[in-house]
Amino acid sequence: EVQLVESGGGLVQPGRSLKLSCVASGFTFSNYGMNWIRQAPGKGLEWVAYISSGSSYIYYAETVKGRFTISRDNAKNTLYLQMTSLRSEDTALYYCARHDYPEWFAYWGQGTLVTVSS
Amino acid sequence: ETVMTQSPTSMSTSIGERVTLNCKASQSVGINVDWYQQTPGQSPKLLIYGASNRHTGVPDRFTGSGFGRDFTLTISNMEAEDLAVYYCLQYGSIPYTFGAGTKLELK
Repeated sequence: EVQLVESGGGLVQPGRSLKLSCVASGFTFSNYGMNWIRQAPGKGLEWVAYISSGSSYIYYAETVKGRFTISRDNAKNTLYLQMTSLRSEDTALYYCARHDYPEWFAYWGQGTLVTVSS
Repeated sequence: ETVMTQSPTSMSTSIGERVTLNCKASQSVGINVDWYQQTPGQSPKLLIYGASNRHTGVPDRFTGSGFGRDFTLTISNMEAEDLAVYYCLQYGSIPYTFGAGTKLELK
């Protein structure tokens, strides 16, 4: 069974940093691209970042480019999102999602909540 | 960036009713559209990929159609478990973009 478990969320002050993790199980992690997708409280979904299976291709939404860094450790079956210069508008539930083809986001974790507030 | 505009924003429905949700892309995305269902407190679930293909385990009352800029999700026989927010997603170009969602409620 495919499982994605996010962690690392919490309350952080504006301008500070936070690193999220997503541990994958139930599939060969190194064969799949991965994504981070977020959802502000009571709002819709926003794609944040993508990383290919071997980390060769990385893409970001304009809203986080230059502040967030997506990375992965295939030996640890773990996806990361390093978030710096956090803003109140980054407050959201952050999901990791496996990148499938042709389905795109067939598997999602339960999310980890990031709250940016002073 | 391709903007995905969903309509209506919300819809009051009845059990057994046929429901049609719409999604319009600001530029052509071919068939590179998915539909996701999200119930309160849950992660989104994939329903339809490639505009018209049902994901594994999705009931056949869900049907997707469309090409280019205009896409539709139809629920042929509304059930109580279908009360949710539905999002379309385009992956024809980066950044991948979601519509704002359509919320289905009971009349």
